[in-house]
Amino acid sequence: AQSVTQLDSQVPVFEEAPVELRCNYSSSVSVYLFWYVQYPNQGLQLLLKYLSGSTLVKGINGFEAEFNKSQTSFHLRKPSVHISDTAEYFCAVSEGAGGYQKVTFGTGTKLQVIP
Amino acid sequence: DVKVTQSSRYLVKRTGEKVFLECVQDMDHENMFWYRQDPGLGLRLIYFSYDVKMKEKGDIPEGYSVSREKKERFSLILESASTNQTSMYLCASTLRASGANVLTFGAGSRLTVL
Repeated sequence: AQSVTQLDSQVPVFEEAPVELRCNYSSSVSVYLFWYVQYPNQGLQLLLKYLSGSTLVKGINGFEAEFNKSQTSFHLRKPSVHISDTAEYFCAVSEGAGGYQKVTFGTGTKLQVIP
Repeated sequence: DVKVTQSSRYLVKRTGEKVFLECVQDMDHENMFWYRQDPGLGLRLIYFSYDVKMKEKGDIPEGYSVSREKKERFSLILESASTNQTSMYLCASTLRASGANVLTFGAGSRLTVL
């Protein structure tokens, strides 16, 4: 069975500093990996996704993530954060082919950007 | 702009009441999902549906049922609400196609059971 681990429940960081949000997954088959962001009082929206190919994936708002198969990780990074990046970030893994997909989410990391 | 609309943003119900949470999508998506979100637990899948009148249990189906009579509508039903069902409920949908598909989420329905 697939699972996702986000070890950091909260990450405080000063504005304009770099940040890394960690995500590790486990799965017995090939997977697709995602990061979603949830701003206060809103639903989740896609930040970026890894399907195949280049292990470095670029997303919206200057975020990027690197897929590392040997370490089963998909960490999210941003070189310089802004106040507007304050939100909760969820890593997710999807496995299954065709029309049947099960998506499993991590427990989330709250990014608090400090002015 | 494509949308997933959840009919109620905030609900307050009493223990034992029957609760309906409605979700409608306008993207002609085949797959629809209901998650609950709790602090420290992330999103947990309750039920999903990959076609009209089809449903599959997720990880935490106990105490819930669902209905999918039309392609665009997926309802979550709490037959007899309990206080431990106080939570944020998120509906999502995606296309049924090969490869990974991105979930499109509604804004959520926050349910409080007293």
